[in-house]
Amino acid sequence: DTGVSQNPRHKITKRGQNVTFRCDPISEHNRLYWYRQTLGQGPEFLTYFQNEAQLEKSRLLSDRFSAERPKGSFSTLEIQRTEQGDSAMYLCASSLMPGQETQYFGPGTRLLVL
Amino acid sequence: SQKIEQNSEALNIQEGKTATLTCNYTNYSPAYLQWYRQDPGRGPVFLLLIRENEKEKRKERLKVTFDTTLKQSLFHITASQPADSATYLCALVKGGKLIFGQGTELSVKP
Repeated sequence: DTGVSQNPRHKITKRGQNVTFRCDPISEHNRLYWYRQTLGQGPEFLTYFQNEAQLEKSRLLSDRFSAERPKGSFSTLEIQRTEQGDSAMYLCASSLMPGQETQYFGPGTRLLVL
Repeated sequence: SQKIEQNSEALNIQEGKTATLTCNYTNYSPAYLQWYRQDPGRGPVFLLLIRENEKEKRKERLKVTFDTTLKQSLFHITASQPADSATYLCALVKGGKLIFGQGTELSVKP
């Protein structure tokens, strides 16, 4: 069990550029979640997958955001035409289903949009 | 919509004392509630889960209570240590996803 990993750990980009983050969940975990966290706040839910199916998307996830989990293993989160308001920590978590309510978080990707 | 609130002010206590953190929620009746620890620049780490039919749960120096009438959970760390300094997050589970409070920062001074 190597834990949830995220890459890159830090990303600095200019406004208007596209960025993509990767998350590798704990192997055998069916569910994968994306959250966003800004300074002084708790993580906010963005979206989650069960295997390769995206089951729910938050209203926070504008059209500029897209997430995929093509083979039910790793996931990517892409932000197009980044804005300064996108600056945040993007966290990925995974859990076993069914009946496993505990989510295991990765270290996060910190995004700074200049 | 569901709302979950924690003490927004940082909690400063002396080593050896008991730290008590509060989590209140509204507009929802969760089947269970979770507590996580988060260190600066890192992802949250799961600590404890308590179900609606459990009044209290313990794990080593940690204790969580869950009062579904008051819609409140209390998180206690006994015999606190400087290594307990971190932000503590409570979260309720809805439809599989977690809804977090804003977290309470705990600082334990030697």
